[in-house]
Amino acid sequence: AQSVAQPEDQVNVAEGNPLTVKCTYSVSGNPYLFWYVQYPNRGLQFLLKYITGDNLVKGSYGFEAEFNKSQTSFHLKKPSALVSDSALYFCAVRERVPSNTGKLIFGQGTTLQVKP
Amino acid sequence: DTEVTQTPKHLVMGMTNKKSLKCEQHMGHRAMYWYKQKAKKPPELMFVYSYEKLSINESVPSRFSPECPNSSLLNLHLHALQPEDSALYLCASQIGGSPNEQFFGPGTRLTVL
Repeated sequence: AQSVAQPEDQVNVAEGNPLTVKCTYSVSGNPYLFWYVQYPNRGLQFLLKYITGDNLVKGSYGFEAEFNKSQTSFHLKKPSALVSDSALYFCAVRERVPSNTGKLIFGQGTTLQVKP
Repeated sequence: DTEVTQTPKHLVMGMTNKKSLKCEQHMGHRAMYWYKQKAKKPPELMFVYSYEKLSINESVPSRFSPECPNSSLLNLHLHALQPEDSALYLCASQIGGSPNEQFFGPGTRLTVL
C-alpha cells in the first residue's frame, strides 16, 4: 500500500537554528514529491516539489528539501528558522502517471514550533 | 490572478438544511478538487473534476453533491448533513499533469448542529 510517513508530530526549534522536518514514503516507482505548509485556519500553501534532477530542491520562504532515493526520504530543511515559520507541514507524494488528476497521498503532518 | 477563492468562509447549518459551498479559480486549471480536513489532520480527498467531468469520487456519502458548471467554478451542495461532517472544506485546482502542484483555497469552515 502506498503511504507517506512523517515520524514527528511536532518539531521544536529555536529561532535562528536550522530545522528539519522528516518525510519518508512507500510508493511504487519514482513518485513526485511535494511539501505544503498550512497556517491556522488557512488552506495549504505549496512550498516545493521534486520531479527529477538535482536531489536538493529549493522552494519558497528559504525552504529546501533533500531527496534521497535509497532511503525513500524527502526531508524539509531550512538553515535558519523564523518564528513565522511556525505552522503545520505536510509531505505529499503522487505516482508518476499520465493522468492529470493523480491523487496526492499526504503524510499525517508535522507541527513546527519555532521559539524566540 | 493566481488564487483559488472559496465562499463562504464560515457556514453553520442544521441537519435538515440545504446549503452550497463555492470555489472559483481563474488560472485556467482544468483539474479541480474537493477535500475535507479535520483539525490537525491531512486533507482527505472527496472529489476530482477533470475538464468539468467528475473523474474521482472517493466513496463520499450522497449528502455531498459536487457540481462543476464551468471550467472556473466548482460547487459542493450539502443536504442532511451530520454533526461529524463539521470540518474545513478545501478546494484546490491544478494545471494538467501529475508533476504539477495543487493550489488550495482558504477553505470553508463548516459547522453542522
